Amino acid sequence: DQQVKQNSPSLSVQEGRISILNCDYTNSMFDYFLWYKKYPAEGPTFLISISSIKDKNEDGRFTVFLNKSAKHLSLHIVPSQPGDSAVYFCAASYNNNDMRFGAGTRLTVKP
Amino acid sequence: EAQVTQNPRYLITVTGKKLTVTCSQNMNHEYMSWYRQDPGLGLRQIYYSMNVEVTDKGDVPEGYKVSRKEKRNFPLILESPSPNQTSLYFCASSTSLSTDTQYFGPGTRLTVL
Repeated sequence: DQQVKQNSPSLSVQEGRISILNCDYTNSMFDYFLWYKKYPAEGPTFLISISSIKDKNEDGRFTVFLNKSAKHLSLHIVPSQPGDSAVYFCAASYNNNDMRFGAGTRLTVKP
Repeated sequence: EAQVTQNPRYLITVTGKKLTVTCSQNMNHEYMSWYRQDPGLGLRQIYYSMNVEVTDKGDVPEGYKVSRKEKRNFPLILESPSPNQTSLYFCASSTSLSTDTQYFGPGTRLTVL
């Protein structure tokens, strides 16, 4: 039972445009959400997070939006750069315990 | 430099031959976890540890063992590996499991023939 789902396995955007990566979850108890980025042959690295008491968190070119009623979060990258090409994992946790990951979305930013 | 190290990075073994993947962190983190990454499934947690001598099962603990005798080390043990344990494994550490960022190791690619 996958409680965190990333339904798009891949996404391709042009350099300079916006990238929007989506993530849906089923467990309404989740209270903390994170995005990780993974380059080939490397471990995932933390990108940005958001608590369930917020609906938006911004860090430079990266913004995460949380819609609790829809159980949906999204990661916006503006403007997209070729170096952003990677696999992005959405993760969710609750009660400071356990963590569930989505399957990942491969983003390709074309020059 | 703050880091999580894993060894070996690549391993090919045969069914039933016991193996251990080591994980070490130098950040004095209390929480450590093991994940496996499989295509289409993303990262799944195998075991985690909240402190020395405190471990608990994650989503997919079957066929794995862990130990936490020291704060910095969290080895993953496969007593009798099987082909369905062929995967990419990541160790991670953090000050808390969910409200802080996790630092991941570089991964261990395991193939069980």
